[in-house]
Parts: sequence; C-alpha cells; structure tokens
Amino acid sequence: EVQLVESGGGLVQPGGSLRLSCAASGFTFSSYSMNWVRQAPGKGLEWVSYISSSGRSIYYADSVKGRFTISRDSAENSLYLQMNSLSDEDTAVYYCARDLYGAYGCDHWGQGILVSVSS
Amino acid sequence: QSALTQPASVSGSPGQSITISCTGTSSDVGGYNYVSWYQQHPGKAPKLLIYGVTNRPSGVSNRFSGSKSVNTASLTISGLQAEDEADYYCDSYTSSNTRVFGGGTKLTVL
Repeated sequence: EVQLVESGGGLVQPGGSLRLSCAASGFTFSSYSMNWVRQAPGKGLEWVSYISSSGRSIYYADSVKGRFTISRDSAENSLYLQMNSLSDEDTAVYYCARDLYGAYGCDHWGQGILVSVSS
Repeated sequence: QSALTQPASVSGSPGQSITISCTGTSSDVGGYNYVSWYQQHPGKAPKLLIYGVTNRPSGVSNRFSGSKSVNTASLTISGLQAEDEADYYCDSYTSSNTRVFGGGTKLTVL
C-alpha cells in the first residue's frame, strides 16, 4: 500500500524557517516525481513545487521561489521542503503528493501537515 | 501563474448530471493535454479523478468523465449521488514547467 506521511509542521514566527519531511513507503520512491501542494485555511489548493524522479528537474511556484527548496533522498525514501523567510501567507496545510508514473496528476497524497506562521 | 477559473459552486439532484468548467489559457489548459481533476471532501486529502484530460485512474467510477475544448476543460459527473458532494479542483501543467490549480468548485447535491 502506498503511504505518504508528512512531518515537521508547526507554529513558526514570521521570518522563521521550517523543514517539512514526507516519508514514502509501499512503492519504488526513486521512480516517481513528487510534488508539494498547500491549502490555506478555508481556501483552495495551491501547487508549491515539483521534483523529478531523478531530482534533476525542480520547479517552484512564483509565490515561494527563492524562499523554499525541494529535495529528495532515495536512500531514505523521503521528500523534503525547506521553507525560509516564512510569512503569514504561508500558513496552510502542506501535502506531499506523488505524480502518476510517467504522467502528470497526483495519484497519492499524504494526510497533510499544518504550518502556522504567526507572532 | 494565475489560478484557473472554475465556478464557485454548482448543484444538482440525485441522478442528474452536472458539468464543472475550468478555464485557462493557451499557456496551460489549451496548450497541453495535462489537465487533472480532484475531489476533496472536508478535512480529507484530495483524490485524483481524471488525468490527461480524459483518463480515469483505476478504481474511479465511470460516472466521472473529462473533456477539453480550446482553453476550457470540463468534468462531468453523471448519476449524481449524495457522496459526490465535495469540492472539485482542476489542475494543469503550464508552459513554465509549473502546475496551476483552479480556484475550486463546491458541489451541492440537493
């Protein structure tokens, strides 16, 4: 069974940093592209970042470019999101999501982890 | 990266069919056959319903179907059921190698 479990969320002050992790199991992690998607309270989904299966291709939404860094460790079967210079606009539930094999579309999602940015 | 345009809400009675539109530009929806649709129930993670404009993942009911015309993609749900009441989101690949979601549509089953 495919499982994606996020961790590392919590309350952080504006300007602070946080590192999210996503532990993957039940599939060959190194074969799949991965994404981070977030959802602010009561709002819609917002795509945040993508990393290819090899890690060589990485893309970000304009809203996080230069502040967030996506990475992966196939030996640990883990996906990461380093978030710096956080503002209250980054408050959201963050989901890690697996792309379909060889296609675009997130077929498996984690349960989500809440990041709250507040003083 | 402007969000794709979806109606804020749609409604239908059990057994009826409804269609949710998702309008973008030639740089996203119109430029690629990489539109996906998701269903999200309150407090839950999204579920993939459609990918590649028209394809259903294994296990998704054939009551859900997708299509596209120029810059507008559509999700049709036939034979509406009470459990279809949820939020629905479209998503497209873009010319910037990024992805963009629609604002979401709340479906009410009357």
